[in-house]
Amino acid sequence: QKEVEQNSGPLSVPEGAIASLNCTYSDRVSQSFFWYRQYSGKSPELIMSIYSNGDKEDGRFTAQLNKASQYVSLLIRDSQPSDSATYLCAVNAGGAGSYQLTFGKGTKLSVIP
Amino acid sequence: DAEITQSPRHKITETGRQVTLACHQTWNHNNMFWYRQDLGHGLRLIHYSYGVQDTNKGEVSDGYSVSRSNTEDLPLTLESAASSQTSVYFCASTLKAGTEQFFGPGTRLTVL
Repeated sequence: QKEVEQNSGPLSVPEGAIASLNCTYSDRVSQSFFWYRQYSGKSPELIMSIYSNGDKEDGRFTAQLNKASQYVSLLIRDSQPSDSATYLCAVNAGGAGSYQLTFGKGTKLSVIP
Repeated sequence: DAEITQSPRHKITETGRQVTLACHQTWNHNNMFWYRQDLGHGLRLIHYSYGVQDTNKGEVSDGYSVSRSNTEDLPLTLESAASSQTSVYFCASTLKAGTEQFFGPGTRLTVL
């Protein structure tokens, strides 16, 4: 069973702080990793994708991947109340040729003004 | 702009009725997916399709079916709705293996 684990939270951070969201996965052949943001009552929206070990930055968001440790994280700098949402980690378990994504259950983030 | 639409957005039905949820995408993606999302379970894959006339079962396919007669549409049918199928249903598509999936707005289904 391919699994993706996330701390369900809620994770509360003050406005302006760094929010750190973590995800571990069980399938060693996974090649692609994604972070989705989901506001209450809305559909998941892609915010970051990462394919290689190391860091990938996009504005206030940084994704970090460590395939040896089977660990992927998302850092949100200068957190804003509008960042309050559930963040889903997704992994294309099954290797490079897989079309399917396995999702974690999500971490609920609350940014306190 | 390319998009995925789902209809209806909200549906209330009775146990035992047949229900069909529509999904239409204009991305021209061959690969389409149906998920259900429930508290405590996250997103779970119901069925998926890699092209016209291709359908495959996912993790939670019992009680559901799909058909794919063209690239744009993947309707999801609940043959005989059960209260356990009350959920939010999302359709998604992707261009190629290992890339992101794009989601539709979702359908909230209540089975009484």
